[in-house]
Amino acid sequence: GQNIDQPTEMTATEGAIVQINCTYQTSGFNGLFWYQQHAGEAPTFLSYNVLDGLEEKGRFSSFLSRSKGYSYLLLKELQMKDSASYLCAPRERDDKIIFGKGTRLHILP
Amino acid sequence: DTEVTQTPKHLVMGMTNKKSLKCEQHMGHRAMYWYKQKAKKPPELMFVYSYEKLSINESVPSRFSPECPNSSLLNLHLHALQPEDSALYLCASSQGRSANQPQHFGDGTRLSIL
Repeated sequence: GQNIDQPTEMTATEGAIVQINCTYQTSGFNGLFWYQQHAGEAPTFLSYNVLDGLEEKGRFSSFLSRSKGYSYLLLKELQMKDSASYLCAPRERDDKIIFGKGTRLHILP
Repeated sequence: DTEVTQTPKHLVMGMTNKKSLKCEQHMGHRAMYWYKQKAKKPPELMFVYSYEKLSINESVPSRFSPECPNSSLLNLHLHALQPEDSALYLCASSQGRSANQPQHFGDGTRLSIL
């Protein structure tokens, strides 16, 4: 079976840093994606990790520990437009990506 | 604008109607997906086509029938739907066998069943 756990909601202040954690258990594993989804819009790709460690992409970084079944998404210099849901999505096999319930991030001015 | 195009954007239908959702991509992607998303919930995988063959059916009721006429097109045929099937239906595509390639999503079809 599959189990993906991430916080339901988080709040942070404009300009600050926030870390969204995700733990997962899947029957297979071939990498992990993070997606951003604004209300009423389609998910958009943020990052991908397949090896342990940190991947940095501008204001967004993602970390993976395969042995712990753990990942996090780090957002720096938060902007109001970062208010969205963030979806942790492990790839169980080549063509199967499973989405976690998502973390709704609220940014306060 | 996305590179995956879904039509129609909105659809209202009765429980006895038959309709189809369409999805098109021209990125040369070989895997295409249908997801269902209810409000404030994550996308739920329904079907996956890989190289035009159905590779995953996540125990979806038979009132949903997918079809992949060619590598660029994906349809979802709807018949005798229930009110609980009202949701956003998202199509996505990816390179397929390349593990580090993300899925690209269309804007979705918002479906309402009366």
